[in-house]
Amino acid sequence: GAVVSQHPSRVICKSGTSVKIECRSLDFQATTMFWYRQFPKQSLMLMATSNEGSKATYEQGVEKDKFLINHASLTLSTLTVTSAHPEDSSFYICSAKATGQQPQHFGDGTRLSIL
Amino acid sequence: GESVGLHLPTLSVQEGDNSIINCAYSNSASDYFIWYKQESGKGPQFIIDIRSNMDKRQGQRVTVLLNKTVKHLSLQIAATQPGDSAVYFCAENIDNFNKFYFGSGTKLNVKP
Repeated sequence: GAVVSQHPSRVICKSGTSVKIECRSLDFQATTMFWYRQFPKQSLMLMATSNEGSKATYEQGVEKDKFLINHASLTLSTLTVTSAHPEDSSFYICSAKATGQQPQHFGDGTRLSIL
Repeated sequence: GESVGLHLPTLSVQEGDNSIINCAYSNSASDYFIWYKQESGKGPQFIIDIRSNMDKRQGQRVTVLLNKTVKHLSLQIAATQPGDSAVYFCAENIDNFNKFYFGSGTKLNVKP
């Protein structure tokens, strides 16, 4: 149980392109989803938290117009990196959590490479 | 509080030995803790969790110990196997607050 699917797993695209990443909870209702960014050999850096049907809460320093998050249903959240540039290249990971004090369950991440 | 590691400490153990991975958490109000395992190129995988009303919890080959007095959490892996090689993160959470704080991670290297 508690499977989270994230795709695409890898994206390579040109500078200026917008990229959408999907995160789905397959066997539970995710009232809260989280988006993280991870640099090599570092911990997870929380970018934003989204609750179903509400606007996402962004962490300090994360541009909400750059990283658009939509959490329209209890099983799907999307992260769109708008007008991506090489400095946006990174490993992006989503997680989903059901209601209550429970663990987050993570997707397998998206490796984004902007040329 | 939230931490982002600038380096990754490494623990090297021999296959078959027991491993102990430690984590110091910062918020005395944290009441829920989780250990995750992250293999290269993948997302973190849930291993085991513990609530603050317990000081020990056991799973399959894993034990989590919680010492609230010194704000310390540890993960013990029995009979470590090559498949246990990964980066291990602890995470802390405060009830009714939808945010988890992750430790900087420890890389476990299991030598055959």
